[in-house]
Parts: sequence; structure tokens; C-alpha cells
Amino acid sequence: DVVLTQTPVSLLISLGGQASISCRSSQSLVHSNGNTYLHWYLQKPGQSPQLLIYQVSNRFSGIPDRFSGSGSGTDFTLKISRVEPEDLGVYYCLQRTHNPPWTFGGGTKLELK
Amino acid sequence: QVKLQQSGAELVKPGASVKLSCKTSGYTFSTSYMSWFKQIPGQSIEWIGMIYAGDGGTGYNQKFKGKATLTVDTSSSTAYMDLSSLTTEDSAVYFCARSIIRGIPFDYWGQGVMVTVSS
Repeated sequence: DVVLTQTPVSLLISLGGQASISCRSSQSLVHSNGNTYLHWYLQKPGQSPQLLIYQVSNRFSGIPDRFSGSGSGTDFTLKISRVEPEDLGVYYCLQRTHNPPWTFGGGTKLELK
Repeated sequence: QVKLQQSGAELVKPGASVKLSCKTSGYTFSTSYMSWFKQIPGQSIEWIGMIYAGDGGTGYNQKFKGKATLTVDTSSSTAYMDLSSLTTEDSAVYFCARSIIRGIPFDYWGQGVMVTVSS
């Protein structure tokens, strides 16, 4: 199975600050069709995960441009600029490149400083 | 709008089975996929398996084969997951989430249901 390693495990950020989360894969996430199926989710406390970014860098419907994704191959980054209170929660990366099981990273908890 | 409504919390005894439901609305269920996930509180998320509502075709995480069985009822636009031979290790929150195309993964999720296995 593909292992996704997220760092840091937790992140203390001031309101208005910038956060950066890394997701490293045990295998390249480039599919044979040339696409990279690495996605990002936010799970707010007590809620189900919500899709933020799909295929590395595409914001899902309604997601503000404060969220941006980048990366290639095995290394990917989610950046959140001008952090707001509603951004707090646990962020997960997910890969759907390789045959199931599709796998999530261990999560990064974003908290206020 | 798209909605996925899961059934309520379950308290079940070890060795028993439980059937969870995920009732959908707001989109064409029969041309979509439904996945199920397990999350132990405080831990990450595991993908259990997926079913295509059009023909009932399934794919499972090897870890959950024999534990989970996925089915659908297209007449009511509802997906189901049966969990069998429950142990305390199956105590977790279970989510359903739909996907339509590979490029955009699980875009809408149910609210989750807590399953507690205890004698």
C-alpha cells in the first residue's frame, strides 16, 4: 500500500498567519495517464472531511483562494494564507493514483497560537 | 443540493452484525460510486471499499474483506454497509462519501455514524 507521511503532526498558527503542510508519498503519485491524484481535505471538529484541493492544485467549488496546493511526484504541499478561525481542524492528504486501497496521510492538526 | 444522510448511532454486542445506511438525494445515484470509511476517534481515515450504484460492482480494501459488505438500493438511492462478527476493534465512526469521476474524489460526505461494540 502507498504510505503518505504528513508533517508536521501539529501546527500552531496566529490568526492571519500562513501555514504550510507537507505530504510525502512512498511512491510516485503520477498515474500512467499523466495525472496526479493527490488531494487535500479538512476535517473540522465533530464534522466529516471536506474536499479542499483535488489533483494537487485545483480548488474545489467554494474553497477560497487562501488555500493552495503544489508539488509533484512524491512531495506535495498545502499552503493556507491569512489563516481564519474556520480553518482550524485536521488536514489530510489522500492518494487515488495507485490501485486500492486508497490511502490517507496521518493528518496535521492546525491550532491557534 | 447533494445530501448524504446516514443512519443513527449503534451500540452492538461483540459477535453481532450491524447494517449502516446512507440515503442520498440531489444527484443521479445510479451513475455514481459510493465509498465507505472508518475513523477511530483521534486517528486518521481508512478507506473500506467502494460500490458502483449502476451495477453493484464492488472493490474492497483487503483489510476489510470478510468484515464489510457493500450493497445499494437504487429504488431508494440508498447505499448500505454490513459489518459482521463485530469486535471492540470495530468501534469507530463510519462515513459514506460519493464520487462521480476519478479526477474529483469523495466530494460529498455523510455526517458519519458512531458504532460502539460493547457487551
